[in-house]
Amino acid sequence: DQQVKQNSPSLSVQEGRISILNCDYTNSMFDYFLWYKKYPAEGPTFLISISSIKDKNEDGRFTVFLNKSAKHLSLHIVPSQPGDSAVYFCATVTGANNLFFGTGTRLTVIP
Amino acid sequence: DVKVTQSSRYLVKRTGEKVFLECVQDMDHENMFWYRQDPGLGLRLIYFSYDVKMKEKGDIPEGYSVSREKKERFSLILESASTNQTSMYLCASTTGTISRNTIYFGEGSWLTVV
Repeated sequence: DQQVKQNSPSLSVQEGRISILNCDYTNSMFDYFLWYKKYPAEGPTFLISISSIKDKNEDGRFTVFLNKSAKHLSLHIVPSQPGDSAVYFCATVTGANNLFFGTGTRLTVIP
Repeated sequence: DVKVTQSSRYLVKRTGEKVFLECVQDMDHENMFWYRQDPGLGLRLIYFSYDVKMKEKGDIPEGYSVSREKKERFSLILESASTNQTSMYLCASTTGTISRNTIYFGEGSWLTVV
């Protein structure tokens, strides 16, 4: 069973506009979430995280929102830039120090 | 900077061959992980290790084994490679708990089994 779901496999956005990537999770006990960015032929790199004690965390152009009642989180990128084109994975920590990843959303920012 | 190095970036192996994927990290991290990435399936955990000689099965351990003889090195072994193990393999490491420390990934190893 997919404990973390990214229902949109791809997203295209014009440069300068907002990109919104969504992630849903199944277990209300999850309390820490992360977003990773991955370019082709490279390993994922950490982008931003959020703890369940918060509903928003911001780092420059990247903001993550957490809606615990809906078991939903989203990553907002504004303004979007062509260099943001990548696959984005949301993840949560399960069990003893194990990251569980979603299936990923491929973001394409059109110049 | 933390460096996680996967020695083989691209490999082509025949069905039935034994395959070793090596991963080395240089930051004295206790925890090391092997994932595979497949289109539409995201990253799935194969095995992880909390310490030398310790290993735990992840979500998809079948067909794989691992070895952690030294703290800095975590090897993924395919005893008898099959075509459904064609994938991108990612090694990662972290110290302490993931919620407090960043997990670092290697650049990945592309394995094709023919």
